Amino acid sequence: QSVLTQPPSASATPGQSVTISCSGSNSNIGDNYVYWYQQLPGMAPKLLIYKNNQRPSEVPDRFSGSKSGTSASLAISGLRSEDEADFYCAAWDDNLSGWLFGGGTKLTVL
Amino acid sequence: QVQLVESGGGVVQPGRSLRVSCVVSGFTFRNYAMYWVRQAPGKGLEWVSVIAFDGSKKYYGESVKGRFTISRDNSKNTLYLQMNSLRAEDTGVYYCAREGLNYKVMDVWGQGTTVTVSS
Repeated sequence: QSVLTQPPSASATPGQSVTISCSGSNSNIGDNYVYWYQQLPGMAPKLLIYKNNQRPSEVPDRFSGSKSGTSASLAISGLRSEDEADFYCAAWDDNLSGWLFGGGTKLTVL
Repeated sequence: QVQLVESGGGVVQPGRSLRVSCVVSGFTFRNYAMYWVRQAPGKGLEWVSVIAFDGSKKYYGESVKGRFTISRDNSKNTLYLQMNSLRAEDTGVYYCAREGLNYKVMDVWGQGTTVTVSS
């Protein structure tokens, strides 16, 4: 069981928006940045969001991140079929002196 | 073009050892911290280890502490993970990843090498 908690699944239809949550604690999300990754089937993860809400230049602005207290969210707007993937949050944990990943959320575009 | 290529995976018996490697190109390896992250079949991502750009600091996940050792050879642009006392639960795809200088997190990943621990 991951210390960072994500819903195991989410779904929406093309064109709609979806939000994926990530819940942690003071030692990880509360005091450190949150990052988000997208993993397409059979592929290596890809960095989507860094430092809570920043996007690498190649990531479309349909993807956005936010953080409040010990929770974070990834929002995806204008869903496309190619967005169907697994999404992971990540954060450094001060108590463990290590990185944590959430358990992952499988996004289905209906 | 930034590339990370893992190798050395395979099938190994429980209790034995294996070393996986990651050769990089397209960037100045000695300037970057590097990671190992693994993924068990059908499961999520698990951080394994990180090493500072000069090898001066190393951190490990709880499940591998005392059994795995991360190292690097900056003259060979190569990252290593020595895995001892392997267990069935160590089975999975092992990815190496670079820490982006601005991102301060894994920003570029290799395609992974598969390790199977089985008798």
